[in-house]
Amino acid sequence: EVQLVESGGGLVKPGGSLRLSCAASGFPFFNAWMSWVRQAPGKGLEWVGRIKSKTDGGTTEDAAPVTGRFTISRDDSKNTLYLQMNSLKTEDTAVYYCTTDWGPHCGGGSCYWGQGTLVTVSS
Amino acid sequence: DIQMTQSPSTLSASVGDRVTITCRASQSISSWLAWYQQKPGKAPYLLIYKASSLQSGVPSRFSGSGSGTEFTLTISSLQPDDFATYYCQQYNNFPFTFGQGTKLEIK
Repeated sequence: EVQLVESGGGLVKPGGSLRLSCAASGFPFFNAWMSWVRQAPGKGLEWVGRIKSKTDGGTTEDAAPVTGRFTISRDDSKNTLYLQMNSLKTEDTAVYYCTTDWGPHCGGGSCYWGQGTLVTVSS
Repeated sequence: DIQMTQSPSTLSASVGDRVTITCRASQSISSWLAWYQQKPGKAPYLLIYKASSLQSGVPSRFSGSGSGTEFTLTISSLQPDDFATYYCQQYNNFPFTFGQGTKLEIK
């Protein structure tokens, strides 16, 4: 069974940093492209970024609001995805989900999602 | 960035109704479109990928169509479990953008 479990969320002051983790199991993590999606309270979904598998180059793409502040990385030996968030702003307050499009019936869509972890940026 | 516009933003319907949600892209995305269902406090759930392919396990009352810039999600006969918020997402160009969502309410 595929499982994605996020952790690391919490309350942080503006300008602060936080690192989110996503522990993956039940599928070949090393071969999967992984993404982060966030959702501000009461708002819609916002794509944050994606990292390819190392086999496919391990490159990352991210959205303009987080470029230069957030970094996506992975540790395949630990089956874990990370989101390092620096210079946090109040508008980064959201539930952060990790997702993957790994699977024969995903076709590039995000088939599997974690339960999300809440990040609150407030003074 | 590609803008995704869903309509309507809110839809009131009854059990058994046939409903359609539209998603328009600001430029062509071929068929690289997904539809998700989200219930309060839960993660989104993939219903449709590549515009019209049903994810494994999704009931056949859900269907998707379209290509280029105009897409639709249809639920042929609404069930009580279908009342939720629906999002489209394009994954043709970075950043992969979502529509603003359509909340499907019980009439």
